[in-house]
Amino acid sequence: ETGVTQTPRHLVMGMTNKKSLKCEQHLGHNAMYWYKQSAKKPLELMFVYSLEERVENNSVPSRFSPECPNSSHLFLHLHTLQPEDSALYLCASSEGGYSPLHFGNGTRLTVT
Amino acid sequence: AQSVSQHNHHVILSEAASLELGCNYSYGGTVNLFWYVQYPGQHLQLLLKYFSGDPLVKGIKGFEAEFIKSKFSFNLRKPSVQWSDTAEYFCAVNAHNYGQNFVFGPGTRLSVLP
Repeated sequence: ETGVTQTPRHLVMGMTNKKSLKCEQHLGHNAMYWYKQSAKKPLELMFVYSLEERVENNSVPSRFSPECPNSSHLFLHLHTLQPEDSALYLCASSEGGYSPLHFGNGTRLTVT
Repeated sequence: AQSVSQHNHHVILSEAASLELGCNYSYGGTVNLFWYVQYPGQHLQLLLKYFSGDPLVKGIKGFEAEFIKSKFSFNLRKPSVQWSDTAEYFCAVNAHNYGQNFVFGPGTRLSVLP
């Protein structure tokens, strides 16, 4: 059990669909992250929230829209994605600052 | 910008062999360094971390890593691997003044043959 739960585990969506990924952490952390893991590429940081405020946004296309309603929940809203967006999307949390990340199991996204 | 490189894409060892996985980073300032492991079908887990002090850090499951500042390196070692160490290993850096941006290396896949 990781303490960070992601749903769904797998998602297949068409390019015109709208879907959302959900992440919930049960560790009492105050920072949450979205990473993208593609085959043969390093993990790419997408968004960071600290105390529910977005503090990092690594030039991610607007078809990805994050939402952090409270320190325990993080969403990634997906809209008109491209096939190259197919990847494993990982959520992580931390105590903030330079504390280590705690990862969820990820959502495997396939865009058709 | 920060970057992290890992020397080997895939390492294959027999049980009881010694392991060393290379990791180099590009940032010249103060850094925090991490090794994560991803066992097949499981989430990324922290193996060990370096923040300050003794450059030789010990982690879980018999792993250790040495921070050599002059070489910008943080190599992972284990004196005797087991079949259960088969996994993918990721080096990560968080550089001070870069906020909460953890930069990961591309990963090294370790296969341990029984």
